[in-house]
Amino acid sequence: DAGVTQSPTHLIKTRGQQVTLRCSPISGHKSVSWYQQVLGQGPQFIFQYYEKEERGRGNFPDRFSARQFPNYSSELNVNALLLGDSALYLCASSWVRGETQYFGPGTRLLVL
Amino acid sequence: AQKITQTQPGMFVQEKEAVTLDCTYDTSDQSYGLFWYKQPSSGEMIFLIYQGSYDEQNATEGRYSLNFQKARKSANLVISASQLGDSAMYFCAMREGQDTGRRALTFGSGTRLQVQP
Repeated sequence: DAGVTQSPTHLIKTRGQQVTLRCSPISGHKSVSWYQQVLGQGPQFIFQYYEKEERGRGNFPDRFSARQFPNYSSELNVNALLLGDSALYLCASSWVRGETQYFGPGTRLLVL
Repeated sequence: AQKITQTQPGMFVQEKEAVTLDCTYDTSDQSYGLFWYKQPSSGEMIFLIYQGSYDEQNATEGRYSLNFQKARKSANLVISASQLGDSAMYFCAMREGQDTGRRALTFGSGTRLQVQP
């Protein structure tokens, strides 16, 4: 079975631009979570979606938004990019919200 | 608020030896889950092992075992018979309890393990 997939793998943007990251969960998984991992740190929780509804949000500004589609795939949008948004963005899926989360390979975002 | 502490920024171990990676946690929840993930240089977080707060037995998955001491709030990962491919960052994480509604993971700062031949 295919694991969690994310696209693109790498992305370079300039300050002020907007970016959309995509995630496809493991088949049958209904919950998707997004995490930001800055170099040298552990991942930080951004959003969790379950059955297409937002079920949790971390301590991130409103520039960050996300959504989940009927096929359970998800997009993370970041507006007005800042240098500090440079990070590895990880998507994780689970069958339901409380189960083990399985991660994708991540999208490496560099903001110049 | 939940907190995960990993006090070992880096560890070295000889191939075929066992190694223990430390993790302590802080939570006011009665129900919680503890996880260990491996992150190679490629970046993907690989799930290794899970321990529920009500589980009486320590979790084991192949060469990985979790030394769960609830009273001390510790959840150390033991890797037996280390292999060169075990060289990676290792993260301890805790899943929030049911009362918060989020069920998000809180991660520690990680331990970089290097296995030497």
